[in-house]
Parts: sequence; C-alpha cells; structure tokens
Amino acid sequence: EAGVVQSPRYKIIEKKQPVAFWCNPISGHNTLYWYRQNLGQGPELLIRYENEEAVDDSQLPKDRFSAERLKGVDSTLKIQPAELGDSAVYLCASSLGRPTDTQYFGPGTRLTVL
Amino acid sequence: SQQGEEDPQALSIQEGENATMNCSYKTSINNLQWYRQNSGRGLVHLILIRSNEREKHSGRLRVTLDTSKKSSSLLITASRAADTASYFCATDDTGAGSYQLTFGKGTKLSVIP
Repeated sequence: EAGVVQSPRYKIIEKKQPVAFWCNPISGHNTLYWYRQNLGQGPELLIRYENEEAVDDSQLPKDRFSAERLKGVDSTLKIQPAELGDSAVYLCASSLGRPTDTQYFGPGTRLTVL
Repeated sequence: SQQGEEDPQALSIQEGENATMNCSYKTSINNLQWYRQNSGRGLVHLILIRSNEREKHSGRLRVTLDTSKKSSSLLITASRAADTASYFCATDDTGAGSYQLTFGKGTKLSVIP
C-alpha cells in the first residue's frame, strides 16, 4: 500500500515569491493534516481536513497561507508571498479520522526562502 | 505551541545499550504517542498509550505514563544503529480534542555501532 505522497521534496525560492505543496493521502483516509516543522522543533499543526472540509485551521496564518482539499482526496498548501521565516519542512499526514487512529506522515517538503 | 518537552535533547549510546527518553507535558491528556523521525524523513508512529494506562510494550519499546507527574518515558532496549533518529512525544489534550496532536521538540538519539 502506498504511503502519503508529497511533492516536491525540496523547494528553494526567493522571498515574496509564491509556492505550493501537494499531498496525496493514503487511500481511504478521510482526515488530512498539514504540519510545519521548524529546524530542531517538533511539527506544529497548520490545518486539519475532514474530507473536503477544513475543520481546524486556527494555526494557519491566513494572510499568506491557503489550503484546499477539493473532492476530499489530495490537498494543496500555498504560501503567497513567502517570507524568510517560512523556511521549514512542511509535512502532510493522513488518518482514518477517529481520535486514536494513527497519523501517517509523508516525507515532507523542505522549503528554503532566500 | 509545543506542549511536550523531551529530555534529554540529545543522547549518544553504544549499540546494544538501552536508551531512555523522557517527555513532560502541561495539560490533561487523552493519549500520549511516541513518533520516530529519521533524518530527512517523515514521522513514523511507534506506540500510543492511553491516559488510563501506566505501561505499554511493543517489541523492544517500553513506554510508561505517569499522569500525576504529567510525564512519560520511552525505553528502547538493546539498541541498534538503525534506531538512530529523533524521537518525539505527542499529546492530544482534553481541551483541544483528540484530533489535535501537540508535539515536543524531540530527543536526538545516536546509536554508535
């Protein structure tokens, strides 16, 4: 069974440029999460989807970040415009959706903003 | 914000030795989980312990939970070079709901062959 797929794996951009990350969760997982992991830190939740509905986006900086999960399958996270402080690893995870279900993580996208 | 705080931040041991990592947290929780992250990779779920459990085993892993002290420990016995990774505890606190995991900063374990 394929795991969570993310692309690209690495992205280097100039500040003020836009950037987008893509995630395809494990088939059948209706809950999808986007996390940001700064260097030397644990992941921090940005947004959680139940199917196509964003049910928790309280940690998403909405002035520059946006996300969508059309059709409740794959998802895109966008930053526009990117700032130096956005350099981090962006992780996508999925689960079946019950509270104790394991979250399965993708390999992440490492973003460097110059 | 980070809830869990792992201790130590870094740990270096010889292959075959046991490794113990600790996690402290601040609020009441439903469950506590441990994850492993190899360099440049995503996180892998290791074990979940519920708030009404005190100890749990999985292979070479042993997890304890003391809710009165708001702390947990992860013991890896007979460590191998392949255990080299960062280990994170994650809690889902009763206030935020069970879906939201709050991760600590992690313990970086190095197992020397």
